[in-house]
This record gives sequence, structure tokens and C-alpha cells, in this order.
Amino acid sequence: QVQLQESGPGLVKPSQTLSLTCTVSGSSINSGDYYWSWIRQPAGKGLEWVGRVYTSGRTNYNPSLKSRVTISVDTSKNQFSLKLSSVTAADTAVYYCAREGVSAADYWGQGTLVTVSS
Amino acid sequence: QSALTQPASVSGSPGQSITISCIGTSSDVGSYDLVSWYQQHPGKVPKLMIYEGSKRPSGVSNRFSGSKSGNTASLTISGLQADDEADYYCCSYAGSFWLFGGGTTVTVL
Repeated sequence: QVQLQESGPGLVKPSQTLSLTCTVSGSSINSGDYYWSWIRQPAGKGLEWVGRVYTSGRTNYNPSLKSRVTISVDTSKNQFSLKLSSVTAADTAVYYCAREGVSAADYWGQGTLVTVSS
Repeated sequence: QSALTQPASVSGSPGQSITISCIGTSSDVGSYDLVSWYQQHPGKVPKLMIYEGSKRPSGVSNRFSGSKSGNTASLTISGLQADDEADYYCCSYAGSFWLFGGGTTVTVL
């Protein structure tokens, strides 16, 4: 059973960079034809796709966030990471990591709340 | 790009059928058979219910079905049950990125 777990600071100051890591267990991040994604959800609001990375390192990003987002993969640690620069209060959200299999997010982490505040 | 359009809320009585629409454009829903639907109970992680428009993952009840016509995708829940009360999100491939709908709250009366 594939499991994903997000980790990283729960509080980030405005204008700084948000950094999160997703650790995958139960399966090698290299096995299979999967993308590894980040999805976020502000409190009381809907889901927003942030971006994804393939094990080759190929990435796709939400056009509205593209200038501030970097997603990378570390296959040796079975992890992938999200960096979001120049954050504002609008970036406060629960951030989920997920596996994209069957052309959809079929396995999700539990989510981690990141608050942007001074 | 704008989010896909879903009704804010849909309600139905136990045993009834309801349908949630997801309106996109010719650049997303209309161009790809890659619409998925997620169920999210309050405070919980979203759960995949439908992928590739009409396919159900293993373990998802056959009371849930998906379809598409033109730029509009739909999720139908038949035999509505109390546990179906949740938020539902559609998601479509839009050519190198994914687009979510704003979400629909399903209430079981």
C-alpha cells in the first residue's frame, strides 16, 4: 500500500519561500509510470492543483503559480519536494502531496497546514 | 485559466439520484477524456471516485457514475445514502496542467 507523508514548516513569513517534502513509502518512487503532485486547499475553499514531477525530473506547473513554483524529486530518498517563493497570506492552505496514477490523484498524503504570517 | 464551474450545492433524499455538473471549455473538459471526481468529507483527505470520465477505482461503489457531453462532465450518485453527504470536486486535464472545479456540497435531506 502506497503511503505519502508531507513534512515541513507550518509557519512561513510573508515574502519568504515555502518548502515542503513528501516522503513516499510502500513503493519505490521510481516504479511505475507515475507523476507526483502537489495540491493545496485554503481553509473553507476548494482544491487547487499546484504542479507535478515525473521521476525523470520533468515538471508541469499551474500557470497561475508557475513563476513561483519549483517541484523536484529525489529518487534516492524516495521523496519529492515543493518550493513556493514570495509567499503571501493567499498561500495559506493545507498542502497535499499525491500520486498521479490512472490519470488522477489516486493516493494522497494526510495534508499539512502551512500558514503565512509574520 | 478559470476553475471548472460546479453548482455550489445539490441535495436529495435517501434513495434518490442526484447529478452534479462540471462545466469546462473546449480547452479542457471538451478536449480530453480525463475528468476525475473526488469526494471529501469535512476534515478528511479527498478520495478518488471516478477517473478518465467514467471509470471507478477498485472499492468505489457502483452507485457513483461519470459521464461527459461536450464541455460538460457529470457525476451521478444513485441510491443516495447518508454517507454520501460531502463535498465533491471535478478535475480535468487542460493540456500540461490540471484544473479543479470549485466544488459542490451534497446534502442528504
